[in-house]
Formats: sequence, C-alpha cells, structure tokens
Amino acid sequence: KQEVTQIPAALSVPEGENLVLNCSFTDSAIYNLQWFRQDPGKGLTSLLLIQSSQREQTSGRLNASLDKSSGRSTLYIAASQPGDSATYLCAVRMNTGANSKLTFGKGITLSVRP
Amino acid sequence: NAGVTQTPKFQVLKTGQSMTLQCAQDMNHEYMSWYRQDPGMGLRLIHYSVGAGITDQGEVPNGYNVSRSTTEDFPLRLLSAAPSQTSVYFCASSFPTGGHETQYFGPGTRLLVL
Repeated sequence: KQEVTQIPAALSVPEGENLVLNCSFTDSAIYNLQWFRQDPGKGLTSLLLIQSSQREQTSGRLNASLDKSSGRSTLYIAASQPGDSATYLCAVRMNTGANSKLTFGKGITLSVRP
Repeated sequence: NAGVTQTPKFQVLKTGQSMTLQCAQDMNHEYMSWYRQDPGMGLRLIHYSVGAGITDQGEVPNGYNVSRSTTEDFPLRLLSAAPSQTSVYFCASSFPTGGHETQYFGPGTRLLVL
C-alpha cells in the first residue's frame, strides 16, 4: 500500500527566505505526483504536476522535483511571501485508467512571517 | 467555466438522518471522486467514478453511496448519518489529456453530525 509522508507538519519562516518542502512515498512505481495548496477553509488548488518520466516542473517562484527511485519529491519556494502561507499537500497517482487514484500526504502548514 | 461546484457549503445533521452532497463539474471530466478530510488523517478517498455509469469504492466507503448518471454530476449520499461522519467533504475531477491529469477540487462541504 502506498504511503505518502510529509515532514515536518508545520513550518514557520521569515519573509524572503527560500524554502524546501519535502514529500516521500513508499512505492516508487508512480504515474505522477502533484503538489497542491490549501488555504484555511478552502478547497485544494493544484500547483504543479510532475509525470513519472520528468525530473522537475517550474511555475513562477515554485519548483518541484521528483526522484522516483528514492521515493522523494521537493517543492522549492523562492523568496517566500506572507501570501504563501497555506498548507501544502503532495499526492501520488499509482496508475492511470480504470483504477486511477490519488494518495495524499497529510500536508505541511507553512507560515511566512512578515 | 464554473469548475467543480459543491452544495451545500455547510450542513448540520442529527444521527440517523440521510442527506445527499451534490457535486457538479462543467469541464467534461471523466474522472470524479469524493474525499473526506479529517484533522491528522489527511484526505481519504471515499468513492470514485471513471465515467457515467461506473463507480467504485475507495479507501473509506462504508456509510456512503454514489451514482454517476451523467458526466457532470456525482452526488454522495449518506444513508444514516453518524457522528464519525463529521468531516469536510471534497469532490474532485480530472480529465486525462496526454497524461496531464491535473486534479481539480471543489470548495468543500463541511458536515457536522450531532
């Protein structure tokens, strides 16, 4: 059974700092990995999706990397801002087609202090 | 596009009552799914559907029913509500386009069972 772990559960950093959020998974036979952002009381918003054949994806100040063989992904946030404060979740999809499912980590709650 | 919509936003039920959580998407997505989010447990898959007329169980299906009569709608039915079903429920959808299966989430329904 796939398990996705995100440590630490919470992180507080000063504004302007570059930071890395970690995600690990136990079964490396994934189809893709997706990073989400969730603001308090809101739904999830997709940030980046990395296919199993890719090493990284970038969007603005965000960069997500994937090392499938070691079961790890990182989300790099450059020059953090208070508006980046949210919970960040990673999720892996094991296959596609009729049994397509996502397995989520529990998330990392990020607080960026002004 | 409205994306993924969910109604109601908030609901209070008494133990034993039944209700239906509504979910609709206007993106012509094949895949739709229901998750519940609980503190310390992360997001857990309840039921999912890969197309109209096809549904399957996820990780925590007991106490819930689903049907998929149209591509757009995927309602979740609570048969006899229990306090353990107090949670935030999210509906999600995706459409595989060249393998880029970005998952789109609704805003959630907060359910309190007394």
